[in-house]
Amino acid sequence: DTEVTQTPKHLVMGMTNKKSLKCEQHMGHRAMYWYKQKAKKPPELMFVYSYEKLSINESVPSRFSPECPNSSLLNLHLHALQPEDSALYLCASSQGQGAIYEQYFGPGTRLTVT
Amino acid sequence: DAKTTQPTSMDCAEGRAANLPCNHSTISGNEYVYWYRQIHSQGPQYIIHGLKNNETNEMASLIITEDRKSSTLILPHATLRDTAVYYCIVHAGGTSYGKLTFGQGTILTVHP
Repeated sequence: DTEVTQTPKHLVMGMTNKKSLKCEQHMGHRAMYWYKQKAKKPPELMFVYSYEKLSINESVPSRFSPECPNSSLLNLHLHALQPEDSALYLCASSQGQGAIYEQYFGPGTRLTVT
Repeated sequence: DAKTTQPTSMDCAEGRAANLPCNHSTISGNEYVYWYRQIHSQGPQYIIHGLKNNETNEMASLIITEDRKSSTLILPHATLRDTAVYYCIVHAGGTSYGKLTFGQGTILTVHP
């Protein structure tokens, strides 16, 4: 099973709201990732967690706050977002953090900020 | 990570082989070549990866030139469901450990 699940599928939030995106995998993977994809653009890495510790932060604004409560779960907490943050947010996981490990992606959460 | 160059778009007839090229002339010895695809509005899907040798799995074959400066992804019998954006990515360790850098990719359209 190579499934990564993401909830919700769609989210509409106002600029003053606080919401969270959730990602889950049960493949025993120890690395998890958040990517952001704007319309008609390729995905861009936001964060990498390895063994539940933040390993890479691609200079993401603090209004995005990642959390990895255990090895199967990855959350992205959203607060005070801007309309330009509207995008498809993709979660991925891999066996480990390294070039030899392929990443498996979830279907994404489509976020609209109003 | 080394930069990759792919054609913007390609067409293929259903049932024929689709051969997608990728140039990565600045690739280093420890960098892997990865292929992912993204069907409209879905998450990217891993296809195949390789370091030096040619690789084959149930989805595709990856042919890497001897000098490793280019590669070709081969879908042996393309179907309409293979219509997608195909990303060729060179993936290194070191400070970019675990970071996939997606380029613009190749839009493959499979025609009936």
